[in-house]
Amino acid sequence: GQNIDQPTEMTATEGAIVQINCTYQTSGFNGLFWYQQHAGEAPTFLSYNVLDGLEEKGRFSSFLSRSKGYSYLLLKELQMKDSASYLCAVREPPSGGYNKLIFGAGTRLAVHP
Amino acid sequence: GAVVSQHPSWVICKSGTSVKIECRSLDFQATTMFWYRQFPKQSLMLMATSNEGSKATYEQGVEKDKFLINHASLTLSTLTVTSAHPEDSSFYICSARVLAGPFEQYFGPGTRLTVT
Repeated sequence: GQNIDQPTEMTATEGAIVQINCTYQTSGFNGLFWYQQHAGEAPTFLSYNVLDGLEEKGRFSSFLSRSKGYSYLLLKELQMKDSASYLCAVREPPSGGYNKLIFGAGTRLAVHP
Repeated sequence: GAVVSQHPSWVICKSGTSVKIECRSLDFQATTMFWYRQFPKQSLMLMATSNEGSKATYEQGVEKDKFLINHASLTLSTLTVTSAHPEDSSFYICSARVLAGPFEQYFGPGTRLTVT
């Protein structure tokens, strides 16, 4: 089966650092994505990991350990506009010429002054 | 970057009627588009995969006769919710597969459907 777990909600203070964890158990793996989604809007791409290690992209970093089925998204220097849901998604190996994404339920992050 | 649009952004319809949602890739060709449904405070659930010029592939539990998908061109896919019921009220999001980069999907802005 497919199972992707993330904390439901997190709160943090403006200017701080927050780490959002994601664990997954899927029948196949071909990369892990993090998306940001503001309420009522479409998800926007944040990061992609396919190999173990840390990928840094400005204030956002994402880490992957394939052996542990674990990833985290690190947000630094938090801003109020970072209040959103953060979705972890695992890409399945290709089937029929394309890859499907399996999404976790998302973590709602609230940033307070 | 790749831009995907959806129309309408929100729609209210009466039970028993049908509603069509359009998904367009504005600056690239998308041979594959995906349709998702998202209920409040829940994650995106893949409904079907739409391939240009061929029949859509539906996920388990999704009624293909209720959710009609047509991918008539490389830039347009449509989802028609037929005989809508209040439980079909949801946020419907499409995405288009981009061949460049790590093959991520670009998402449309979503369509909020309310069935009364």
